[in-house]
Amino acid sequence: GAGVSQTPSNKVTEKGKYVELRCDPISGHTALYWYRQSLGQGPEFLIYFQGTGAADDSGLPNDRFFAVRPEGSVSTLKIQRTERGDSAVYLCASSLGGQHTEAFFGQGTRLTVV
Amino acid sequence: SQQGEEDPQALSIQEGENATMNCSYKTSINNLQWYRQNSGRGLVHLILIRSNEREKHSGRLRVTLDTSKKSSSLLITASRAADTASYFCATVYNSGNTPLVFGKGTRLSVIA
Repeated sequence: GAGVSQTPSNKVTEKGKYVELRCDPISGHTALYWYRQSLGQGPEFLIYFQGTGAADDSGLPNDRFFAVRPEGSVSTLKIQRTERGDSAVYLCASSLGGQHTEAFFGQGTRLTVV
Repeated sequence: SQQGEEDPQALSIQEGENATMNCSYKTSINNLQWYRQNSGRGLVHLILIRSNEREKHSGRLRVTLDTSKKSSSLLITASRAADTASYFCATVYNSGNTPLVFGKGTRLSVIA
């Protein structure tokens, strides 16, 4: 596609439920990043993929959070037993890979846990 | 966490004035990037400066990098109301295969 696509754009879920957030990166981009952003804050790093493997998952806050990228393209961020504190905008970005490349961001998924 | 820190947190200027935002970081970097975010959700890449570069220009944007002080600045000249947004610096550290790490941002308001 023309850009990074994230679905859904908004998700409201009840506390304790499971959610999946999807990211379609730009075709051919090997690097994929997940961030979450709370109001008035900068994007907080969660996990980074190079191809199919997680190159760095040190930002995942706890074991309720998990992300996959099985074919090196689409990625899914999974959150189990959601808590109200998980409410935020979840951003996905992709890049060609390599350290001197810019990242292209999707419009994010706004997750609200009630 | 390894975050850059932007300064000031908020900046309000008149249209036509220049806006300067600063970013400090903690450890050796491979490159530093500046992004813009409007009140919607997507971030847009503005400029990338490598660790061996000291200054880069792109249109009305000028970025400087001082690796001895671990700091960068973003200058927007002749600002416009449409420049109103949040601006973030993001660093790629030298330690291995690392992702972009963002600061908390500067909220710029340009008043017409």
